Amino acid sequence: RKEVEQDPGPFNVPEGATVAFNCTYSNSASQSFFWYRQDCRKEPKLLMSVYSSGNEDGRFTAQLNRASQYISLLIRDSKLSDSATYLCVVNHLTGGFKTIFGAGTRLFVKA
Amino acid sequence: EAGVTQFPSHSVIEKGQTVTLRCDPISGHDNLYWYRRVMGKEIKFLLHFVKESKQDESGMPNNRFLAERTGGTYSTLKVQPAELEDSGVYFCASSQERRAGYNEQFFGPGTRLTVL
Repeated sequence: RKEVEQDPGPFNVPEGATVAFNCTYSNSASQSFFWYRQDCRKEPKLLMSVYSSGNEDGRFTAQLNRASQYISLLIRDSKLSDSATYLCVVNHLTGGFKTIFGAGTRLFVKA
Repeated sequence: EAGVTQFPSHSVIEKGQTVTLRCDPISGHDNLYWYRRVMGKEIKFLLHFVKESKQDESGMPNNRFLAERTGGTYSTLKVQPAELEDSGVYFCASSQERRAGYNEQFFGPGTRLTVL
């Protein structure tokens, strides 16, 4: 079982749709959580950090449930430019600092 | 402010040759990380520097890989001798650590390595 698992995707949605991505992690000692966005053949770019209290940045909302070891990302009013791969990233300090990436979920937003 | 830079952007070498990748982190970032993405797989952690010290190199595949960060500024990752399975995209990232275990990492554009 992978340490960080994401929805398999791809997600194909029309412009204006709301789309939700889910992510689960297995290491209960995980300490910090992020969503990154990666465009084709580009580097990952930080989209947002994820806090237990939930956080929102414009059309994007991230939630963390530590009890369930679950992270989510909600994108409202999807734009064509949101098309990308969304990576769930988890950091933990078990045996040294480690950053674990999920395999990513591909999103296609169509006109 | 300049972001993380990596050199070269692409490298094509033959099996058995040596390649050295370079990463220049964002100025002032003490933390520097190396990652690798092999085709079809997720990005994998290789190692983590804090300044010039290796904090965790548990992700390094084998002893053909050597990372250095002399002086705590830029870092190099050398692969010697390269094998076919070393092909992939090597990303470098840097961060300022706000508190233990929490840091937002900023990635460089990556070096695409192809071993023939």
